[in-house]
Amino acid sequence: AQSVSQHNHHVILSEAASLELGCNYSYGGTVNLFWYVQYPGQHLQLLLKYFSGDPLVKGIKGFEAEFIKSKFSFNLRKPSVQWSDTAEYFCAIPRAGTNDMRFGAGTRLTVKP
Amino acid sequence: EAGVAQSPRYKIIEKRQSVAFWCNPISGHATLYWYQQILGQGPKLLIQFQNNGVVDDSQLPKDRFSAERLKGVDSTLKIQPAKLEDSAVYLCASSELAGDAWKEQFFGPGTRLTVL
Repeated sequence: AQSVSQHNHHVILSEAASLELGCNYSYGGTVNLFWYVQYPGQHLQLLLKYFSGDPLVKGIKGFEAEFIKSKFSFNLRKPSVQWSDTAEYFCAIPRAGTNDMRFGAGTRLTVKP
Repeated sequence: EAGVAQSPRYKIIEKRQSVAFWCNPISGHATLYWYQQILGQGPKLLIQFQNNGVVDDSQLPKDRFSAERLKGVDSTLKIQPAKLEDSAVYLCASSELAGDAWKEQFFGPGTRLTVL
């Protein structure tokens, strides 16, 4: 069954540091992958998505993610984080043929000013 | 555009009591989802409705959880009786009709349930 795993539970960075959050998926077929973000006190919202084509996808607020099929990975990156990026980040994969999203455990990012 | 509304935002109950959560999806969204998010975990789908019919409830603990979506709009999720392990945030989401093509889900603020 499709699933994703996130190995970083809590990441602490200083402003302007580069960010990379890991996400690995387990499914050998056609893969759609997503990153969601939940800012403190706000709703869970879509950050970016990958369906096919260019493996480097760009999302909102300067985030990007790269789909690497050989590594079963879809890591989230940002060259320079800001204090406002403090949030929880979830990687997700839909169950095949459905809109049923399977979420990873999440990574809490704290950016120190 | 109004988002997904949920109430109450917080609820504290004792074990074995019952509780109900309410969700109002984005207007025109045919598909509605209920997720359970336990502390330290990602959201887990409990049930998915398409209009007022159930599409998937395979992960709903049916001995104590029930959900309905009358008239294909608002939905309620009920727990009766509650157990300690039901403490979680219950998220409601909605999307346009989710057929073969993926449709973005829009999430509500959630209801934080604490069972004592």
